[in-house]
Amino acid sequence: GAVVSQHPSRVICKSGTSVKIECRSLDFQATTMFWYRQFPKKSLMLMATSNEGSKATYEQGVEKDKFLINHASLTLSTLTVTSAHPEDSSFYICSAGIGTDTQYFGPGTRLTVL
Amino acid sequence: QKEVEQNSGPLSVPEGAIASLNCTYSDRGSQSFFWYRQYSGKSPELIMSIYSNGDKEDGRFTAQLNKASQYVSLLIRDSQPSDSATYLCAVNSASGTYKYIFGTGTRLKVLA
Repeated sequence: GAVVSQHPSRVICKSGTSVKIECRSLDFQATTMFWYRQFPKKSLMLMATSNEGSKATYEQGVEKDKFLINHASLTLSTLTVTSAHPEDSSFYICSAGIGTDTQYFGPGTRLTVL
Repeated sequence: QKEVEQNSGPLSVPEGAIASLNCTYSDRGSQSFFWYRQYSGKSPELIMSIYSNGDKEDGRFTAQLNKASQYVSLLIRDSQPSDSATYLCAVNSASGTYKYIFGTGTRLKVLA
């Protein structure tokens, strides 16, 4: 299957700092990438859809100024959590679209904000 | 509101048995259906996709789709303890896009 990587896999930061998470499609070009958040024992929550070369589309209730998404190339999308607070601590997962409609997920990034 | 529903479980089956996981969806226009497996602390991994009514088999896994009844199921034959995970059903309702609606997942426990 298609390979999607994320970096870093785990990050701990202080409250008020910004954290950038990278999502890369390693062996294919992805015009569309997605960012999800998942709290413990909860289902995936779609945060935004990222299309290469255009602005991301955010889901209702997701603050676009807090979660900055950039999709500068066909293989890279980044999520920046700005001014992170403890309530932003979560598991952030990206996915990339391939073929007609299949999503492949990255391994996820566990963010802990102290 | 488009919805995808799954029983949260846990569904417990003995090792070697068949595990049957079910999913219903509300949007009759749905075109593509996916099953993902998610181990605790890990991201989802694609098991199968299905697009047409009927059965689709891949190794120990069989996906079944019935569009008239709006359900999709996943059968796991010869269940192993390593199959213990949460199984997510995903539906793509918007043709030409990758956007999914996910169910909340069914937690499967395979007892050794």
